[in-house]
Amino acid sequence: DQQVKQNSPSLSVQEGRISILNCDYTNSMFDYFLWYKKYPAEGPTFLISISSIKDKNEDGRFTVFLNKSAKHLSLHIVPSQPGDSAVYFCAAVNDYKLSFGAGTTVTVRA
Amino acid sequence: GAGVSQSPRYKVAKRGQDVALRCDPISGHVSLFWYQQALGQGPEFLTYFQNEAQLDKSGLPSDRFFAERPEGSVSTLKIQRTQQEDSAVYLCASSRLGGVSYNEQFFGPGTRLTVL
Repeated sequence: DQQVKQNSPSLSVQEGRISILNCDYTNSMFDYFLWYKKYPAEGPTFLISISSIKDKNEDGRFTVFLNKSAKHLSLHIVPSQPGDSAVYFCAAVNDYKLSFGAGTTVTVRA
Repeated sequence: GAGVSQSPRYKVAKRGQDVALRCDPISGHVSLFWYQQALGQGPEFLTYFQNEAQLDKSGLPSDRFFAERPEGSVSTLKIQRTQQEDSAVYLCASSRLGGVSYNEQFFGPGTRLTVL
């Protein structure tokens, strides 16, 4: 059963605008949430995380929001840049184990 | 410093063949993980090592899958009698610490296995 879901397989955004990626989860035992970025033929690289006790974490152009009551998190990228074109995975942590969503492919148009 | 490396990067096997996939974690990293990523899906956990001890193999899909890390560094994922449904990218990740709490996992580039 999929405990982490990313329901939008793709997102196209103009350079300079905001990208919003969404993620839903079902297991209330998750204690950390992560976003990974993946380029073709490379492994996922860590982007940003949020603890389950927080509702927002910001790092430069990247902000993650967590709504525990809705079991929903989102990643905001502002402003979007061409180098942000990649697949973004949402992941949730239970102890050492990561559960990933299926990913959202982001394309930033010039 | 060097990241996680995996070899081979690509492997084509005929159905029924055995394959071995290698992972070289970041030097000194205690924890090592294997994930399977099917086409269009996110990575799925297979197994976890703390040093040479395999602490969790709950994600291995069948007894055809076997992983080892005999000296607590390099790990090998072996798949016996490969089937078409084994076609996927196999990702290895390592993290600096052990234990049951999360610490950042660093991923290798993966091995793409195609079973014909």
